[in-house]
Amino acid sequence: ETGVTQTPRHLVMGMTNKKSLKCEQHLGHNAMYWYKQSAKKPLELMFVYNFKEQTENNSVPSRFSPECPNSSHLFLHLHTLQPEDSALYLCASSQGLAGGFTGELFFGEGSRLTVL
Amino acid sequence: GQNIDQPTEMTATEGAIVQINCTYQTSGFNGLFWYQQHAGEAPTFLSYNVLDGLEEKGRFSSFLSRSKGYSYLLLKELQMKDSASYLCAPVDSNYQLIWGAGTKLIIKP
Repeated sequence: ETGVTQTPRHLVMGMTNKKSLKCEQHLGHNAMYWYKQSAKKPLELMFVYNFKEQTENNSVPSRFSPECPNSSHLFLHLHTLQPEDSALYLCASSQGLAGGFTGELFFGEGSRLTVL
Repeated sequence: GQNIDQPTEMTATEGAIVQINCTYQTSGFNGLFWYQQHAGEAPTFLSYNVLDGLEEKGRFSSFLSRSKGYSYLLLKELQMKDSASYLCAPVDSNYQLIWGAGTKLIIKP
């Protein structure tokens, strides 16, 4: 138990569906992250929220839409995805010190997404 | 560009010692993390080095040489539960972690 909870753990969707991934952290952190993990590839940072403000968007396609309503919750809204988007999506949180290093990341178990 | 290089896979015997190397090139440097990830589970923090030298934590030790852009993770008295992927991640000048693809460690009895 890392203090970061992701739901659903597994998701299968068609290319025309709309779904959302949810992440909740119980650690009192101020920074939250979405990562994509594909087999045998490095973790790809998608989005960063620091104190609820988006500070990073690593050229992610618009079919992925993040939402951070408060510092404990993070969503990733998915629509019209492609089969190559199939991957493990990991949420993480950290202390989120403004203007500097945010400390160690605590990861959720991930949401395994399959796009048909 | 930024680049992380670590072996794709390593095999070791239970009870032995294994060293997993990581070389990196980043825009600036603010320390280096090692994470462990068991199959189907979340990555978990192992160590963070910001100064040169060896830091020991139980059976696991991590070494850093900033001048050489090099780090290693040393695992002693290997146990079957150490079978996992080990991720090297230096921190760049923007305080972003730059991840390697990970080293899959297989422990054999």
